[in-house]
Amino acid sequence: AQSVSQHNHHVILSEAASLELGCNYSYGGTVNLFWYVQYPGQHLQLLLKYFSGDPLVKGIKGFEAEFIKSKFSFNLRKPSVQWSDTAEYFCAVNRETGFQKLVFGTGTRLLVSP
Amino acid sequence: DTEVTQTPKHLVMGMTNKKSLKCEQHMGHRAMYWYKQKAKKPPELMFVYSYEKLSINESVPSRFSPECPNSSLLNLHLHALQPEDSALYLCASSPSGSSYEQYFGPGTRLTVT
Repeated sequence: AQSVSQHNHHVILSEAASLELGCNYSYGGTVNLFWYVQYPGQHLQLLLKYFSGDPLVKGIKGFEAEFIKSKFSFNLRKPSVQWSDTAEYFCAVNRETGFQKLVFGTGTRLLVSP
Repeated sequence: DTEVTQTPKHLVMGMTNKKSLKCEQHMGHRAMYWYKQKAKKPPELMFVYSYEKLSINESVPSRFSPECPNSSLLNLHLHALQPEDSALYLCASSPSGSSYEQYFGPGTRLTVT
């Protein structure tokens, strides 16, 4: 079945630690890739997106992600996390079919301790 | 204005009630979406409207009835819901086409008693 996998369901880090969250998808062909964040009590916000071009994309709040086509992966990274990064992170994939049918991964709950 | 608004924020309804959720955006987007998000789960697509026409219905039960009266508004009419329909209902919008990000509203937290 076509799917989006996030390997880490819960991650606990101390402030200043580095972060990498995994995301793999199983679609063939051209895809658009997204990372969304959901802070406690807030709505989903776009962190970054990849449509084409440079596979290393930079987003807001110091986040970046790398698209590796051969591995069907789009991992999210941040060199040094802050307490305010505590949130749920969702990877999402959209196939270029002309319709915006986003499929979300299961999410990773990140807790950053001060 | 890059905001999607949703009303109400919270809704409690009985299984025999009829209620509606509303969503509004003023970004000129021509695609609008309804998602359902259960606790600790990812959002799941329910409906997609493109240019006010229903493009995708993800086999949603008929007790959920979407409506797009104009390009800025999206409604979700609810009737005879079940307790398992309790969830956060998210609205989103985007420019039409696949190569755009979606902007999400804060959601309506629905409880069916």
